[in-house]
Amino acid sequence: DQQVKQNSPSLSVQEGRISILNCDYTNSMFDYFLWYKKYPAEGPTFLISISSIKDKNEDGRFTVFLNKSAKHLSLHIVPSQPGDSAVYFCAASPKGKYIFGTGTRLKVLA
Amino acid sequence: DGGITQSPKYLFRKEGQNVTLSCEQNLNHDAMYWYRQDPGQGLRLIYYSQIVNDFQKGDIAEGYSVSREKKESFPLTVTSAQKNPTAFYLCASSIQGHRYNEQFFGPGTRLTVL
Repeated sequence: DQQVKQNSPSLSVQEGRISILNCDYTNSMFDYFLWYKKYPAEGPTFLISISSIKDKNEDGRFTVFLNKSAKHLSLHIVPSQPGDSAVYFCAASPKGKYIFGTGTRLKVLA
Repeated sequence: DGGITQSPKYLFRKEGQNVTLSCEQNLNHDAMYWYRQDPGQGLRLIYYSQIVNDFQKGDIAEGYSVSREKKESFPLTVTSAQKNPTAFYLCASSIQGHRYNEQFFGPGTRLTVL
């Protein structure tokens, strides 16, 4: 039973436009969420996080939005750059564990 | 430079052999984790440890074993009981096993069973 879901396995976006990556979760007790970026054959790197007391968190070109009632979060990348092409994982962190989604492969076209 | 190291980067083993993957961190993190990633899948938790000399099973612990004798080290043994061991293995650590901390990942080890 997938508790954290990323329903879009891939996404292609033109350079300079906005990339929106989505993530849904099932457990309303989850209260901390993270986004990671992963290149092939490397470990994921942390991008941005949000706790459930907020509905938005920004860091440069990256913004994460949290909609608790819908159990949905999204990552916005503006403007998208070719170097952003990678697999993006969302994760929820309950009680010291981390539950990851299956990832979305973003391709930014030059 | 602080970080997490995993060795080796690539590992080959014959079917029926046990193999141990190394993970070391000098970040002074309390919690450490092992995941495996298969093509088209997310990261699945194998084992985690929130403190020295203690560890818990994750979602797919069968066929694996770990030890946590030192804070810096969390080796993973893939035993012959693991039915499908070929995968990319990732080690991670966090400051504490507290939910408001991000994990830092190592570069991974790709294990191939011949």
